[in-house]
Amino acid sequence: QLQLQESGPGLVKPSETLSLTCTVSGGSISSSSYYWGWIRQPPGKGLEWIGSIYYSGSTYYNPSLKSRVTISVDTSKNQFSLKLSSVTAADTAVYYCARREQQLVYAFDIWGQGTMVTVSS
Amino acid sequence: EIVLTQSPGTLSLSPGERATLSCRASQSVSSSYLAWYQQKPGQAPRLLIYGASSRATGIPDRFSGSGSGTDFTLTISRLEPEDFAVYYCQQYGSSSFGQGTKVEIK
Repeated sequence: QLQLQESGPGLVKPSETLSLTCTVSGGSISSSSYYWGWIRQPPGKGLEWIGSIYYSGSTYYNPSLKSRVTISVDTSKNQFSLKLSSVTAADTAVYYCARREQQLVYAFDIWGQGTMVTVSS
Repeated sequence: EIVLTQSPGTLSLSPGERATLSCRASQSVSSSYLAWYQQKPGQAPRLLIYGASSRATGIPDRFSGSGSGTDFTLTISRLEPEDFAVYYCQQYGSSSFGQGTKVEIK
């Protein structure tokens, strides 16, 4: 069964770039049926969609974060990645990667467990 | 950008009671594109409902979704102890989420 796993540093300094990778196992990232996304959740707060990518590399981002976000895909490794630049304490959150089904469900149907990222000096 | 507003913020109910959660969109949303998620503390969200009214795989039939246009509802017919959690709606177009409704034990 398909699984997603986030990985990356748990601590990032202010003004630096946050980098996370999501590894997809049990299935191929190169499917026309799915987009792959990043969602975050600050402590005690709600969910915020960051952006999504198709296996071809096509991306779209949350307008509020677009200037700082880059999402990329590596189909050879079955991975996709997030880079968020110029981070501040407001970027401290649990970061989730998830699969978005595009043909019937049109929702994030499989999620990673999430990884906590703290922005602090 | 479509904004989703959920109400109430918190719902205090007892096991066995019926829960009715609302999600209102700032402009019309296709029913095909409205989803509901459940999140328990320390866990990732889980997809409950897609297409406004279709249950995801493995979701019990006490969960149901309805609505169209700008008003959508998630109903839990009889609350089980494991249903106390936070619930989010989401629309596909801009992938935005509502702010969540917490269902807590009264």
